[in-house]
Amino acid sequence: EAGVTQFPSHSVIEKGQTVTLRCDPISGHDNLYWYRRVMGKEIKFLLHFVKESKQDESGMPNNRFLAERTGGTYSTLKVQPAELEDSGVYFCASSTRDSRTEAFFGQGTRLTVV
Amino acid sequence: GQNIDQPTEMTATEGAIVQINCTYQTSGFNGLFWYQQHAGEAPTFLSYNVLDGLEEKGRFSSFLSRSKGYSYLLLKELQMKDSASYLCAVNQGGKLIFGQGTELSVKP
Repeated sequence: EAGVTQFPSHSVIEKGQTVTLRCDPISGHDNLYWYRRVMGKEIKFLLHFVKESKQDESGMPNNRFLAERTGGTYSTLKVQPAELEDSGVYFCASSTRDSRTEAFFGQGTRLTVV
Repeated sequence: GQNIDQPTEMTATEGAIVQINCTYQTSGFNGLFWYQQHAGEAPTFLSYNVLDGLEEKGRFSSFLSRSKGYSYLLLKELQMKDSASYLCAVNQGGKLIFGQGTELSVKP
């Protein structure tokens, strides 16, 4: 069974450009989470989908970030326009309906804004 | 506020035992996870504690005391491949609140 996959693995863009990150969760997982790790800091929660609905987006930094999960399958996270402080590793994780079960993480997308 | 503390770095010798501590103060608690992360890879699940006590799984054990806001991860018979970052994370209804991670170096 395929794990959580993220694309691209690396992205280098200029300040002001747009970038879209994609996450394919494990098939059948209703819960999908986005996290971010900025250099030197801990992994921080961004938002949580249950199927196609946003359950909690309290961690989204500002309105330059837009997450979608059309059809309740894969998810995208768009950053527009990107700023230098958006650089970091963006992780996606998925889990089954029961919130007590472990989340399975993707390898992350390393975003560098120059 | 939310606060999860764990040591930044630890070093241990191959074959030895190491204990990685984690203390937490969070507004909600639905259990505590430990994840292992090798550089450039995805965090992988190690253990989950929701009740007080010790959970043992092979060479890895995890302990939780909810009254003290304290957990530890115990690694026995250390191997070189155990060199990695170990992440303590509090579960809040599925959303994880992470500590900064402990970078463990296992030396021969």
